[in-house]
Amino acid sequence: AQKVTQAQTEISVVEKEDVTLDCVYETRDTTYYLFWYKQPPSGELVFLIRRNSFDEQNEISGRYSWNFQKSTSSFNFTITASQVVDSAVYFCALRDGQNFVFGPGTRLSVLP
Amino acid sequence: DVKVTQSSRYLVKRTGEKVFLECVQDMDHENMFWYRQDPGLGLRLIYFSYDVKMKEKGDIPEGYSVSREKKERFSLILESASTNQTSMYLCASTSGETRQPQHFGDGTRLSIL
Repeated sequence: AQKVTQAQTEISVVEKEDVTLDCVYETRDTTYYLFWYKQPPSGELVFLIRRNSFDEQNEISGRYSWNFQKSTSSFNFTITASQVVDSAVYFCALRDGQNFVFGPGTRLSVLP
Repeated sequence: DVKVTQSSRYLVKRTGEKVFLECVQDMDHENMFWYRQDPGLGLRLIYFSYDVKMKEKGDIPEGYSVSREKKERFSLILESASTNQTSMYLCASTSGETRQPQHFGDGTRLSIL
């Protein structure tokens, strides 16, 4: 069965600090996709990034970077030089075939 | 860009009422989903649909039903609303391609009094 674990329920950092959000997943499929979403206080879930199971290249987009390690079944998300606008709940998700599984989310608070 | 539109951002209803939450997507997606989100419980899947007139129960279908008469529209129905159905409801859609993420609507914050 598929499972996504985000062990950090809540994280608080001070602005300009770097922060890493952890995501660990379980699946028996060899082909799957991983996603990160951001849910700001307004409520909508915004898709951030996708990674497939065959591509372990890390990705950087501005202050955001993602580290996918198949050996440890992890897909961690790092925000560099955090800003108050990064405050949100972040969800990691797994898709294999037509099944979607979301992690419980990590609430990030960035304090000024 | 994919647009998923939920009919209401905020809704207040009374116990026992029949409540309809509507969701429309504009990308011809095959798959549509209804979730509820409660503090500390993450996203819980209520129902999903792979095609018109098809529906599958998710993890918490009790007290809910759904309707998908047209591909672009997926309705969630609370047959007899109860206070424990006060929650944030999120609709999502995606194509059948495994690589595609779900795209979400803005959510409906439903209060049952």
